[in-house]
Amino acid sequence: NAGVTQTPKFQVLKTGQSMTLQCAQDMNHEYMSWYRQDPGMGLRLIHYSVGAGITDQGEVPNGYNVSRSTTEDFPLRLLSAAPSQTSVYFCASSWGTSPYSYNEQFFGPGTRLTVL
Amino acid sequence: QKEVEQDPGPLSVPEGAIVSLNCTYSNSAFQYFMWYRQYSRKGPELLMYTYSSGNKEDGRFTAQVDKSSKYISLFIRDSQPSDSATYLCAMSATDSWGKFQFGAGTQVVVTP
Repeated sequence: NAGVTQTPKFQVLKTGQSMTLQCAQDMNHEYMSWYRQDPGMGLRLIHYSVGAGITDQGEVPNGYNVSRSTTEDFPLRLLSAAPSQTSVYFCASSWGTSPYSYNEQFFGPGTRLTVL
Repeated sequence: QKEVEQDPGPLSVPEGAIVSLNCTYSNSAFQYFMWYRQYSRKGPELLMYTYSSGNKEDGRFTAQVDKSSKYISLFIRDSQPSDSATYLCAMSATDSWGKFQFGAGTQVVVTP
């Protein structure tokens, strides 16, 4: 199993550009999520999904879109990049979709994004 | 004010000492509590997962939850240089499952 993979590892954008961060998992996990990590802020949830076709907003969704057309993939789209979106982005997945199931989240290696 | 507060450290301890980490939170609905370890430039990995109040032990790691005080702790016994990392707490409520709230993380340095 490759686990959770993220591409690209690094990206530099100019203000106003759009791009898609890719996330894929091969563990047949129903739950997938996107976080951003900034110094002193910990991980903040952007969007999450409990299955194909189902997504919901997290703590900091503005400026980001997601969709979940397959169980394996959960791309994150930046519509018009801003310097405030400079961050490290982590994708995570877990088998469980409720508190009553086993819920270890597996994280990808991260994408370091700089917006100039 | 953030729902989950965690001292960022750094916390420096000598090898073999007990590392004590904690988080406080304000949302009384949180029922599920997790501790993650994150090495530099890597993704977090789950260490401990606990439900409601009480203690849980796994090897050198002990997690404690005190819901009455809205306070959770992680203890690492016999610390090793390989324990040097950032430790993040996370929590979730039953009725907002999936919306995990993370602390800012505490950087731990174990010196040989």
